[in-house]
Amino acid sequence: EDQVTQSPEALRLQEGESSSLNCSYTVSGLRGLFWYRQDPGKGPEFLFTLYSAGEEKEKERLKATLTKKESFLHITAPKPEDSATYLCAVQPAWNAGNMLTFGGGTRLMVKP
Amino acid sequence: DGGITQSPKYLFRKEGQNVTLSCEQNLNHDAMYWYRQDPGQGLRLIYYSQIVNDFQKGDIAEGYSVSREKKESFPLTVTSAQKNPTAFYLCASSIPTRQGVHGYTFGSGTRLTVV
Repeated sequence: EDQVTQSPEALRLQEGESSSLNCSYTVSGLRGLFWYRQDPGKGPEFLFTLYSAGEEKEKERLKATLTKKESFLHITAPKPEDSATYLCAVQPAWNAGNMLTFGGGTRLMVKP
Repeated sequence: DGGITQSPKYLFRKEGQNVTLSCEQNLNHDAMYWYRQDPGQGLRLIYYSQIVNDFQKGDIAEGYSVSREKKESFPLTVTSAQKNPTAFYLCASSIPTRQGVHGYTFGSGTRLTVV
């Protein structure tokens, strides 16, 4: 069974305090791993897609990396506007239906 | 601009009542999905549709029904058989996998509350 586990469940940072969010996955072949940002009461917004181990992608203060068992979302010098829930999802290779399996998310709070 | 529109944003259901959540997309995506999100839990798949006039049950389909009569529309009905419907409901769409690996585009969600 495909599983995605995100840690920590919640993370409090001071503005400027860099940290990382973890997404561990168990899947029978990985087609892609996705990161989304979700603000309260809104739908998730796409951030990154990673396809193979060793791949990295960056956007502003965020950098996503991928290994064979986990992905990290590194946040460098975060600002209060980075506060949100970050969701990780995987698309298994067997899944012809394009369905994603989601983790429980990490709620990030950045204090000024 | 293309996107997914969910309505209403807030919905209140009385005991024993059926309610329908709307989801419309103008992205020309073939695949559409309904997810349920509860506090502290990940997104759980209710139903999905890969093509018009066809849909499949997800992990938690009991108490829900859908239709896919048009490519642009994928409404979700929460029936009286769903005993705990209070949640945040998200609709999403995507390009089929035969065109590569694609994530979802999400709507803004509908918050359903039982009163």
